Amino acid sequence: QKEVEQNSGPLSVPEGAIASLNCTYSDRGSQSFFWYRQYSGKSPELIMSIYSNGDKEDGRFTAQLNKASQYVSLLIRDSQPSDSATYLCAAQGGEGAQKLVFGQGTRLTINP
Amino acid sequence: GAVVSQHPSWVICKSGTSVKIECRSLDFQATTMFWYRQFPKQSLMLMATSNEGSKATYEQGVEKDKFLINHASLTLSTLTVTSAHPEDSSFYICSAWDSNQPQHFGDGTRLSIL
Repeated sequence: QKEVEQNSGPLSVPEGAIASLNCTYSDRGSQSFFWYRQYSGKSPELIMSIYSNGDKEDGRFTAQLNKASQYVSLLIRDSQPSDSATYLCAAQGGEGAQKLVFGQGTRLTINP
Repeated sequence: GAVVSQHPSWVICKSGTSVKIECRSLDFQATTMFWYRQFPKQSLMLMATSNEGSKATYEQGVEKDKFLINHASLTLSTLTVTSAHPEDSSFYICSAWDSNQPQHFGDGTRLSIL
């Protein structure tokens, strides 16, 4: 059973602080990793993709990948109330080929 | 980013009715489309993988005769929930993919069976 694990939260962070979301995966063959944001009642929205070890930055978001540790993280700097959502980590590749394997999601709340 | 259109966004119907949901990729040709179901406070559950021109591959536990999937073109896949019952009420989401980009999701269809 290929799995992606996230700390389910809820995670509460004050406005302006850094929110840190973590994810581990079990399939070493996974090659692509994604963070999706999902607001209540809406479908997931892609916010970051990462394919190689290291950091990838896009605006206030930084994704980090460590394939040796099978670990993916997402940092959100200068957190805003609009960042309050459930964040889904997903892995693709390996035995599942093009399928995405999702974690259970981390519910993030940014407190004004 | 890529645009995936899903229709309808909301359906309420009586038990026993069949419901068709459409998923279209608007600005790229999707070699593969995926259908997910999501119950409240849970993560997405993959139901089936659909490749254009071939039969869908269903995940374990998903009834292929109940959830009919057609992927007749590179831009359109449909999911038909046949003889829907209240336990089929859920949020159904499609995604489209090709090898050049990540999966992009449609806006989802909220299905309520009375």
